[in-house]
Formats: sequence, structure tokens, C-alpha cells
Amino acid sequence: SQTIHQWPATLVQPVGSPLSLECTVEGTSNPNLYWYRQAAGRGLQLLFYSVGIGQISSEVPQNLSASRPQDRQFILSSKKLLLSDSGFYLCAWSNGRGETQYFGPGTRLLVL
Amino acid sequence: AQSVTQPDIHITVSEGASLELRCNYSYGATPYLFWYVQSPGQGLQLLLKYFSGDTLVQGIKGFEAEFKRSQSSFNLRKPSVHWSDAAEYFCAHAYSGGGADGLTFGKGTHLIIQP
Repeated sequence: SQTIHQWPATLVQPVGSPLSLECTVEGTSNPNLYWYRQAAGRGLQLLFYSVGIGQISSEVPQNLSASRPQDRQFILSSKKLLLSDSGFYLCAWSNGRGETQYFGPGTRLLVL
Repeated sequence: AQSVTQPDIHITVSEGASLELRCNYSYGATPYLFWYVQSPGQGLQLLLKYFSGDTLVQGIKGFEAEFKRSQSSFNLRKPSVHWSDAAEYFCAHAYSGGGADGLTFGKGTHLIIQP
């Protein structure tokens, strides 16, 4: 069966520091991968998606970036965090467009 | 632009009572529709989905949802709620055209269960 992992589970970082959040999927090949951010009271916002290694599409312009160095690995990064980057970050995978997305446990990021 | 509206931010229901959570979508073609549940500090778990066919879909944990094209709605129902159903519920839809867009989510409905 497929599983999706995210780490770290919780992260507290100072403003201006770098960020790296990792997501890995097991038990499937060539998944579509997604990064969402969930801010308090604002639902989920799609940040990035990827249909293959090295292929990244950005939905929202911001100081975050994403990379997919391996088929089942998706990384969310920032060179300098802002206070507004605080939130709950969720990674998801699917077998294709419109297909069900399965979510990881999330990473809670607090920028101080 | 595609959008999903969940008009109720909070709903309080007594344990054992019936539940209906509302969801309306804005999209011209037939969307793919989903309901997810999120417990505090956790990821999202899929409750059910509608792609095509029978407009009444059954999900896990005793939930069901009905797709009504004429009302652009996909409301979630449960005949008798349990205290463990207290959580945040999200309705979402996917664009059924080409590409790999993510899901468009509503802002969620927070369900409170009264003893």
C-alpha cells in the first residue's frame, strides 16, 4: 500500500532563516505531487505541483520554491522565511489529474 | 475562476443527531468532487468522492454525499453523529480537463458535537 511521509512534524524558525521541508511517497511510481499551505481559518491553498522529476509548477508567487530531485521526493524550500510563511504545510500525491489526492500528516511551521 | 463554498464555518450538533454539511461549487463542466476530514493537527483523510454515475455516494465512517447538478451542490450527510466525528470538514473539487492542477478547497466547516 502507499504511504506518504513528511518531516519535520513541527518547526520553529526565525525570520530570515532558510527552510527545507521534505515529503516522500512509498508504494507508487511517478505520482503527481503537491504542496499545500493551510493558514488559520483560510482553508488549503495549492502552492506547487509536480508531474515528474524536475517538473514544478507554481500556483502562487511567493518566496517559497519546490524541487523534485527524485520520483517520490518533493521538497519545499525558502532562502529567507517571512512571518507570513507560518502555517501548516501539507504534501499530497495522486495517480493523475483529477484523481483522488492522499495527504501526508503535515508540518507545522512557526516563524518568529 | 473555480471556487468551492462552504457556507457554515461552525456547526454544532448533538451526539446521535443527523448532520448535513453544505458545499457549493462554481464550475461549468462536471467536476470531480471530494469530502475530506481533518482532525486537529493532522493531515486530511478522504471521506468520499464523486466522479460520475450514481449521484449518491457512500463513504467511510457512515458518511454519504449527494451531487445535485441543478444546485451545484455536494452536501455531506450522516444520519447519526458520534463524538468522534468532531473535526474540520473540507469540500474540494478538481478540474476535469487536462494538466495536473491540485484541488480547490472550501474554507472548511468546523463540526462540534454536544454530548
